[in-house]
Amino acid sequence: DAKTTQPTSMDCAEGRAANLPCNHSTISGNEYVYWYRQIHSQGPQYIIHGLKNNETNEMASLIITEDRKSSTLILPHATLRDTAVYYCIVRVHTTSGTYKYIFGTGTRLKVLA
Amino acid sequence: EAEVAQSPRYKITEKSQAVAFWCDPISGHATLYWYRQILGQGPELLVQFQDESVVDDSQLPKDRFSAERLKGVDSTLKIQPAELGDSAMYLCASSQDQRGTEAFFGQGTRLTVV
Repeated sequence: DAKTTQPTSMDCAEGRAANLPCNHSTISGNEYVYWYRQIHSQGPQYIIHGLKNNETNEMASLIITEDRKSSTLILPHATLRDTAVYYCIVRVHTTSGTYKYIFGTGTRLKVLA
Repeated sequence: EAEVAQSPRYKITEKSQAVAFWCDPISGHATLYWYRQILGQGPELLVQFQDESVVDDSQLPKDRFSAERLKGVDSTLKIQPAELGDSAMYLCASSQDQRGTEAFFGQGTRLTVV
């Protein structure tokens, strides 16, 4: 299964952009990159996903390198409520025709006032 | 907005007792996942269903854990007997399992074994 590597922790000043990197060098051509975040004691919350093009939604932007071996999640104006653990996931297509989400240890982002 | 429902939210049980968790996925989602999350770690996939069939239970400790999704809708995860090391958050997720879609997670059940 494709694995991801993320920094253990990061700090970001409130109001500034938070850039969270992720390496996924073993990703296959048809596997998507997903980002979730988990605020303390809650279930993971979906943020964004992409295949090879950059993506943007109301929460964040996702920049995927041309070789697809790494990506960056960008929170454009971080707020205190963005303090959470952020997981970068490669969604794997299984032999049963379904998809599997394999979590790593994530990046603990702390937004500082 | 549709949500994945889980109950109970919190459960305290004694070692060697049986415990069960319930999950109701978003309507129409064929795929259901059960994850275990130990404090400080990322969620670990325990079992995955496609409709009523198990498609992956390679990480499920089958000597004490069981999972079922009898009618292909809601699901139950059971532990018998519970051990101290089972203390964790148990998360349920569901998805439509199509190329561009995502999985939705419930709020989890926090299990404490004493």
